[in-house]
Amino acid sequence: SQTIHQWPATLVQPVGSPLSLECTVEGTSNPNLYWYRQAAGRGLQLLFYSVGIGQISSEVPQNLSASRPQDRQFILSSKKLLLSDSGFYLCAWSRGTEQYFGPGTRLTVT
Amino acid sequence: KQEVTQIPAALSVPEGENLVLNCSFTDSAIYNLQWFRQDPGKGLTSLLLIQSSQREQTSGRLNASLDKSSGRSTLYIAASQPGDSATYLCAVPGTGFQKLVFGTGTRLLVSP
Repeated sequence: SQTIHQWPATLVQPVGSPLSLECTVEGTSNPNLYWYRQAAGRGLQLLFYSVGIGQISSEVPQNLSASRPQDRQFILSSKKLLLSDSGFYLCAWSRGTEQYFGPGTRLTVT
Repeated sequence: KQEVTQIPAALSVPEGENLVLNCSFTDSAIYNLQWFRQDPGKGLTSLLLIQSSQREQTSGRLNASLDKSSGRSTLYIAASQPGDSATYLCAVPGTGFQKLVFGTGTRLLVSP
């Protein structure tokens, strides 16, 4: 069966510090991968998606970036965090029309 | 641009009640609709995926219906339990490759 992992589970970072969130998927190959952000009181916002290694599409202009160094690994990064980057970050994968989500990372920027 | 709305935003019911959550979308040219559950501080769990060719999809006490022409879906929960307390989200594909557009969710509280 397929599983999706995210780490860390929670993170508190000061403004201006770098960020690296990791997502890995097990039990499938060549999945589509997604990064979403859920800010307090707001809906899920798609940030990035990838259909293959090294292929990244950005949905929202921001100070975040994503990379896919391996088939089942998706990384969300920032060089300098802003207060507005605080939120709940969710990674998801799909091979067909249904998406499956990871447990999420709670990021608080102070 | 596809937009998804969920009503009500919050719902509080006593245990045992049957309830209906609503989801509406602006562009009826969808090929499926997905219902998710999210517990506080957790990721999303897929509940039901209903294809555009289907009118209903059932899983246990959950039943999702889809009316593409009117741009609506409902999630029916029978005999609600305190363990059903969570936020329920619906999502439909947006423009582009398998991207989902989410509603803002309905926060459900079932009291014992």
